[in-house]
Amino acid sequence: AAGVIQSPRHLIKEKRETATLKCYPIPRHDTVYWYQQGPGQDPQFLISFYEKMQSDKGSIPDRFSAQQFSDYHSELNMSSLELGDSALYFCASSLGRLGQVNYGYTFGSGTRLTVV
Amino acid sequence: AQTVTQSQPEMSVQEAETVTLSCTYDTSENNYYLFWYKQPPSRQMILVIRQEAYKQQNATENRFSVNFQKAAKSFSLKISDSQLGDTAMYFCAFMKPRNSGTYKYIFGTGTRLKVLA
Repeated sequence: AAGVIQSPRHLIKEKRETATLKCYPIPRHDTVYWYQQGPGQDPQFLISFYEKMQSDKGSIPDRFSAQQFSDYHSELNMSSLELGDSALYFCASSLGRLGQVNYGYTFGSGTRLTVV
Repeated sequence: AQTVTQSQPEMSVQEAETVTLSCTYDTSENNYYLFWYKQPPSRQMILVIRQEAYKQQNATENRFSVNFQKAAKSFSLKISDSQLGDTAMYFCAFMKPRNSGTYKYIFGTGTRLKVLA
């Protein structure tokens, strides 16, 4: 079965550079969530999209922006990267804004971003 | 490849009663960690409890405890004296540390728990 695809798997950037992370949800899933997990920390919710519109906003820095496209894939754009942005970035998808009971959430394997 | 399965999409429990959420996983690894995360409506992920695979003793954290059956690859979460604030989505997660110092996380699909007054 198709899963949530995140690309790239690994990314190394220098301070002040820009990075773009991509997330391809499960087919037919219309909701995408982004999480950031720093070393030894719980995943932090960043932002979510439902039907290409931002649905919830968490602790996403102003330097980050995201969007969901017509094919439901989502991109997280990160500018002016800082060392503290080094983390594992998870994307999850679900069917329906509240995560339909019968489908739940499906998480991708994450993109590991290292800022040097 | 590792997989994590939560077979209960939704559960409900009366306040003050006990509920058990199930989680099974599949791995050929011997050294790994298992977690239960709580996701309230805010969508934040809050660590509830963690278990190191090499530890035979089941982890306990106040009203939360796990039944870790390594041979059966089962990791269920028991919530005692359920409270209204326990209403949330619960995710089971498997983590495998890598020699490189990084780690790999795999999440289950979640169980939506509703505590009834």
